[in-house]
Amino acid sequence: DAGVIQSPRHEVTEMGQEVTLRCKPISGHNSLFWYRQTMMRGLELLIYFNNNVPIDDSGMPEDRFSAKMPNASFSTLKIQPSEPRDSAVYFCASRRLAGPYNEQFFGPGTRLTVL
Amino acid sequence: QQQVKQSPQSLIVQKGGISIINCAYENTAFDYFPWYQQFPGKGPALLIAIRPDVSEKKEGRFTISFNKSAKQFSLHIMDSQPGDSATYFCAARPDSGYALNFGKGTSLLVTP
Repeated sequence: DAGVIQSPRHEVTEMGQEVTLRCKPISGHNSLFWYRQTMMRGLELLIYFNNNVPIDDSGMPEDRFSAKMPNASFSTLKIQPSEPRDSAVYFCASRRLAGPYNEQFFGPGTRLTVL
Repeated sequence: QQQVKQSPQSLIVQKGGISIINCAYENTAFDYFPWYQQFPGKGPALLIAIRPDVSEKKEGRFTISFNKSAKQFSLHIMDSQPGDSATYFCAARPDSGYALNFGKGTSLLVTP
């Protein structure tokens, strides 16, 4: 199994530009999470999808952030317009609801730098 | 508001020593307590997890100790090795929930 796949791995952009981060969850997993990691705030949950439906987006910082999951094998996180304070590592994670621990498997992350 | 408090922020241990990382929580609805290990440039990976019906769980050199009355849990790494150098995160969530509440992480360095 290839694990959770994220692209790009690194993104450098200028303030005001649109940024799109992509995630392919593990096949067969029906839950997907987007996290943001910074030194100051640690790992924060941005949004949670279950069966492609957004269940909890209370962690999305503001309207500049949006996420979609058009099908079970693909999700995007978009920032428009981007700002320097959005610089962080963004992780996607997936899990299968069945099982005793419902373990979340994280992707390698996308390091975003907004200049 | 940080629901899981983790300490220390950083830790240096000599090879062969014991590394101890502590976490505390307030929400009594939390029923699942995993520890994640993260290497530079990688995503966090589940290391070991415990439910509060047991006070200790051991997997190889890694042990979780759980104190339900004190609402604290800790990770012990026995015979620490340089390859254990990583950032460790504790987390907690209700058993039926989905949102993991992460501690802020502990950067562990094991010196040769």
